[in-house]
Amino acid sequence: SQQGEEDPQALSIQEGENATMNCSYKTSINNLQWYRQNSGRGLVHLILIRSNEREKHSGRLRVTLDTSKKSSSLLITASRAADTASYFCATDEGGNNNDMRFGAGTRLTVKP
Amino acid sequence: GAGVSQSPSNKVTEKGKDVELRCDPISGHTALYWYRQSLGQGLEFLIYFQGNSAPDKSGLPSDRFSAERTGGSVSTLTIQRTQQEDSAVYLCASSLSGGASYEQYFGPGTRLTVT
Repeated sequence: SQQGEEDPQALSIQEGENATMNCSYKTSINNLQWYRQNSGRGLVHLILIRSNEREKHSGRLRVTLDTSKKSSSLLITASRAADTASYFCATDEGGNNNDMRFGAGTRLTVKP
Repeated sequence: GAGVSQSPSNKVTEKGKDVELRCDPISGHTALYWYRQSLGQGLEFLIYFQGNSAPDKSGLPSDRFSAERTGGSVSTLTIQRTQQEDSAVYLCASSLSGGASYEQYFGPGTRLTVT
């Protein structure tokens, strides 16, 4: 079963605009991660945020986590055509459960 | 090699045949995951190995699917009596340890086509 669910399912923006993707999950978690999957490339880890953190930055990426709402958002600022990819959130299920569950992903298209 | 490798990269098989997919994780990584990804879809968790512990098989879709991890390293995912709905990309990932505290490193996947 999936733990995380991303929305929107698809997002299309112009280069230079910001892109925001959201992830909701069902159970308590220890940590949440975001991954990117480009066409022809594998899944690549982007950022990890722990359950006691509320915000984290990495370059043009900003991730927030709201454990009370069981949701996270990924913001990509000043998007580039190379950011075109599918973005997935992944979580464990809290406690000592180390299973990882991925959402269905958001397909981002950045038009040049 | 420095990354996770999987073989074969592509596999075409006839319905009813058995297939074996191989994953070589990054050396020293104790956790290994198998996922399945259908075209345009997300990742479906299949099975998780952590060190010498019993694997978490809760994601295996049927008893036709099995996996083993020998010596805490290489893993093999076996699908018996393949069906057309098994067609997908099978992804393997390893991490230093289990859970979302650790980054997962993914292999390139094996694209399985059942005809």
